[in-house]
Amino acid sequence: DVKVTQSSRYLVKRTGEKVFLECVQDMDHENMFWYRQDPGLGLRLIYFSYDVKMKEKGDIPEGYSVSREKKERFSLILESASTNQTSMYLCASSSWTGNQPQHFGDGTRLSIL
Amino acid sequence: DAKTTQPPSMDCAEGRAANLPCNHSTISGNEYVYWYRQIHSQGPQYIIHGLKNNETNEMASLIITEDRKSSTLILPHATLRDTAVYYCIVRVFGSSNTGKLIFGQGTTLQVKP
Repeated sequence: DVKVTQSSRYLVKRTGEKVFLECVQDMDHENMFWYRQDPGLGLRLIYFSYDVKMKEKGDIPEGYSVSREKKERFSLILESASTNQTSMYLCASSSWTGNQPQHFGDGTRLSIL
Repeated sequence: DAKTTQPPSMDCAEGRAANLPCNHSTISGNEYVYWYRQIHSQGPQYIIHGLKNNETNEMASLIITEDRKSSTLILPHATLRDTAVYYCIVRVFGSSNTGKLIFGQGTTLQVKP
C-alpha cells in the first residue's frame, strides 16, 4: 500500500512565525502535491512538484513556498504565518503516468494564533 | 475545467449496496473519473478510477455510461465504516501533465444499522 506520511497531525503556531510542514512518501512517486482544505471551499492546490528540485505553482501559492531536495520528501513552508492560513493541509503523491491516482496523507490541522 | 454534480447526501442500510451517482456532462474524451472518500479528520482515500469501461476493485465498482456524461460508484455491501463524504472528480491536466484534482462538495453517505 502507498504510504504518505505528514509530520504532524495538529500544529499550533503564532502569527509571523516561519512554519514547516513535512511530507514523505514511500512509493518512489515522481509527483507530489500540497493542498489546503477549508469548509465550503473544498481542496485547493497550493504547489506541486514533478521531480526533485522542480516545482510549479498551483491555484493559491501566495504566502507559501516549497522545497523538494529528495524524491520522497516535499516540504511546504509558510514564510510568515498569518491567521488566514489556519487550515487543514494535505499532501499527496502519484506516479508520473498521467492517469494514476493521487494518494493522500492524513493531513495536518494547522492553527495560527 | 470539467465539473461534477453529486447529490449532497444519501442514506444506505448496512449490508445493502450503496449506489452513488455523479454527473460530469462536460467531460473531455481523455479525462478520467476518480472517486475518493473522506472520513472526518482524515485525508481523502482513493477508491477507484476509470475512463470509459466499467471498473471493479476490492473496494467498489465504477459504472460509466456510454456517453461518459455520468457514472455511479457502487459499494456492494455497505458497512458502518463506509460512512463518509464521497467525491467524484474529473482530473484536469495542465502543461506539466501532473493533473490537479478539483474536489466539489461531494455526497455525504450515511450507512445506518
